[in-house]
Amino acid sequence: RKEVEQDPGPFNVPEGATVAFNCTYSNSASQSFFWYRQDCRKEPKLLMSVYSSGNEDGRFTAQLNRASQYISLLIRDSKLSDSATYLCVVTGNQFYFGTGTSLTVIP
Amino acid sequence: NAGVTQTPKFQVLKTGQSMTLQCAQDMNHEYMSWYRQDPGMGLRLIHYSVGAGITDQGEVPNGYNVSRSTTEDFPLRLLSAAPSQTSVYFCASSRNREHQPQHFGDGTRLSIL
Repeated sequence: RKEVEQDPGPFNVPEGATVAFNCTYSNSASQSFFWYRQDCRKEPKLLMSVYSSGNEDGRFTAQLNRASQYISLLIRDSKLSDSATYLCVVTGNQFYFGTGTSLTVIP
Repeated sequence: NAGVTQTPKFQVLKTGQSMTLQCAQDMNHEYMSWYRQDPGMGLRLIHYSVGAGITDQGEVPNGYNVSRSTTEDFPLRLLSAAPSQTSVYFCASSRNREHQPQHFGDGTRLSIL
């Protein structure tokens, strides 16, 4: 069983839409959780950490549900520039990356 | 603040050649790691290190060696390049693996002919 499972998409949404990604993890002892963004042929970049109480950064909201072992990312008012692959990351002995969810925002 | 620096950015090798991909960080991070990413695929962990003198294997270590003689540097060696090792290689570092996120270099694009 993979440490982290993520719906690969693709998600194609119009500008201004709200879109949500989910990610499940298998190790209940996992300590930290992150969302990264990766543009085509570029390095992954930290989008935001995910805290137990949930956290927001502008149009982005991250949630953690330890009981069900999943994390989520909500993007409101999607922009063309949000088009990218979004990776969820869970820590343990190492950093465990999901395979990524592809988002394309359409004009 | 340079962050994580990878060299070279591009490299073409012939089958059987060896080479070293360099990775250096100036953030005094203890945790460093190497990933490969094939087209349309996710990141796969090759090797990682939790501090100077300590390394461990990841998911796909075969054909690669690493060493960590200093906190700053974590080179990745291809022993005898094979076409299957054609990929984009990313180095990343973190203050620790429990609570702090990783910061990535901008990658080395490697082609093996």
